[in-house]
This record gives sequence, structure tokens and C-alpha cells, in this order.
Amino acid sequence: GAGVSQSPRYKVAKRGQDVALRCDPISGHVSLFWYQQALGQGPEFLTYFQNEAQLDKSGLPSDRFFAERPEGSVSTLKIQRTQQEDSAVYLCASREGDRSYEQYFGPGTRLTVT
Amino acid sequence: GENVEQHPSTLSVQEGDSAVIKCTYSDSASNYFPWYKQELGKRPQLIIDIRSNVGEKKDQRIAVTLNKTAKHFSLHITETQPEDSAVYFCAAEGSGGSNYKLTFGKGTLLTVNP
Repeated sequence: GAGVSQSPRYKVAKRGQDVALRCDPISGHVSLFWYQQALGQGPEFLTYFQNEAQLDKSGLPSDRFFAERPEGSVSTLKIQRTQQEDSAVYLCASREGDRSYEQYFGPGTRLTVT
Repeated sequence: GENVEQHPSTLSVQEGDSAVIKCTYSDSASNYFPWYKQELGKRPQLIIDIRSNVGEKKDQRIAVTLNKTAKHFSLHITETQPEDSAVYFCAAEGSGGSNYKLTFGKGTLLTVNP
């Protein structure tokens, strides 16, 4: 079946612009996660949804970062007034539910802020 | 919160040799420990995982061991092949409830020389 997909794959933004990154999880997966991966580092947790409820947003670096999953499927990560330190790969992952531990990752969106 | 340390940061082996990567974690409540392989520019892919009620798990050339008392777990790859070359990440997941976020190590760049 189809895996997790993300769009766009690459995004270049000028400093101060707003961006929106999309994640399409595996159909039927209850849990959705966003991670940020800086160059040469491991992914770092940003936020977690269970269906449409955002249960943990403790990893969001600032109030410029906002995520939503209004219908419990597709999710959008929005970054307002982008800054150079926001440059990273943003990974989305989904998980089936309580009976399955594995998180399936999307290909990521590489954001470059100039 | 959870902290995961991973060693070594780089590892170079000859084809056919074994490779071992070690991780330690800080939260004794963590109960799920996956290992991901990430090739350059690609998504992280799960290669093996272990839950806290098991001490060892093996899948063909790959094995993972877990010592809950010492809070460390290790990845073992035998008979390495050039296609095993990639960055490997260990991770730890919390004790569940409403939060299943993964905390990742910084990664190990494995190079298998033909």
C-alpha cells in the first residue's frame, strides 16, 4: 500500500516568509508525528496527534510553529516568519495505533531559509 | 525528559566483518527501542526493534540486545555488505499513555568497504 507522503519535497523560503508543509499519513493510521532533522543530526520530536487531537506540542521550538490535523488524516505544519535556524528536513511519521509500535516515516520536506 | 546517547558517531568496517553500535537511555520507563537506517536523502526506515520485555531479538544478519538494568541497547550487524552503508539511528519511546514520541540518538555513519 501507499506509504507516508509529504509535500513539497523541497522548499526555499526567504527569511520572514510563511511556509506550510503537508503530510499524508498511511490510511487509517491514528497517530501522526512531526520531527525536525537538522543536518547530521537525529530527528527531534516536534508534535504528536492522535486522530485530530494534538496531544503533545512540547517540541515546537517557538510560537511561530503551528500544526493541525483537522479531520484526523492529513496534517499541515506551518511556520510563520521563517528564520535561518528553521532550515532543516521536516519529517512526518504515522503509526497505526495502540497495537502497533512502528512509526512509518515520510520522505521529508527539506526547508531552506535564505 | 528522555536522553539517548549513541556511539560511535562513525564506524568503518571491511565487507564481511561485524559492526556494533551502542546506545544508552536515561528514562527507566522507556519500553520500546527501534533502530532506523537512513540512506542519504532518504526517509528513516525501521530495520529492527525490541520491547522491554525481551532481552534479544534477531532478524537474519541483524540483532538487537537490551539491558534494562544498565539502560543500554545495541545493534549488531554480521557479515556486513556494502549496501549496509548508511546512517543508523537508535531511539527510545516513552511509557505510553498519550505520548509515543521517539527520542533519537545522534546517529552512526557506517561505511562498509568492499
